[in-house]
Amino acid sequence: NAGVTQTPKFRILKIGQSMTLQCTQDMNHNYMYWYRQDPGMGLKLIYYSVGAGITDKGEVPNGYNVSRSTTEDFPLRLELAAPSQTSVYFCAGVKNTGELFFGEGSRLTVL
Amino acid sequence: QKEVEQNSGPLSVPEGAIASLNCTYSDRGSQSFFWYRQYSGKSPELIMFIYSNGDKEDGRFTAQLNKASQYVSLLIRDSQPSDSATYLCAVPRYNTDKLIFGTGTRLQVFP
Repeated sequence: NAGVTQTPKFRILKIGQSMTLQCTQDMNHNYMYWYRQDPGMGLKLIYYSVGAGITDKGEVPNGYNVSRSTTEDFPLRLELAAPSQTSVYFCAGVKNTGELFFGEGSRLTVL
Repeated sequence: QKEVEQNSGPLSVPEGAIASLNCTYSDRGSQSFFWYRQYSGKSPELIMFIYSNGDKEDGRFTAQLNKASQYVSLLIRDSQPSDSATYLCAVPRYNTDKLIFGTGTRLQVFP
């Protein structure tokens, strides 16, 4: 999935810890999205951004924060990790056609 | 009613058959509709998008849209075992930049 890079790919957190999931794109996408996907479920929108300095809440923003200081980077912050945040997180950019182009995902486990 | 609804499946079809995947949506103002395929452990990838009522064909895939009935479907002709995946329907919430996904339908194509 060249174009949208997510790190880390895997992470285990203890309850109450904080961390940042990094997302970087090199395709000059203005629009970027963070989704989470629980086992056997679809994608739930956490936050999105339509350009540098502009972010907005999605369907499930509680417990997360984002920033968009540059076009390239769209990090997702978890402040106080909870077991309910165990999930796979996908970052995506949007092409001019409206197609979402996803990163490879970050698998997070909170114990 | 969920914004985007799909039968979770699994839908099992024999190799060579037509697989029919359905999606209903609640927002009458929605204008564009996307089908993504997701292999197990991978990120979603776009198969097709459709904006206008009727059919849109791309190789073995046909997307069908009926705005009056608020459903969009995906037909896969000559199904192959390699088509076994989860198929996600996605619809932008009207007048927003939020792309909402259904829970996905798991398709199994057996030889």
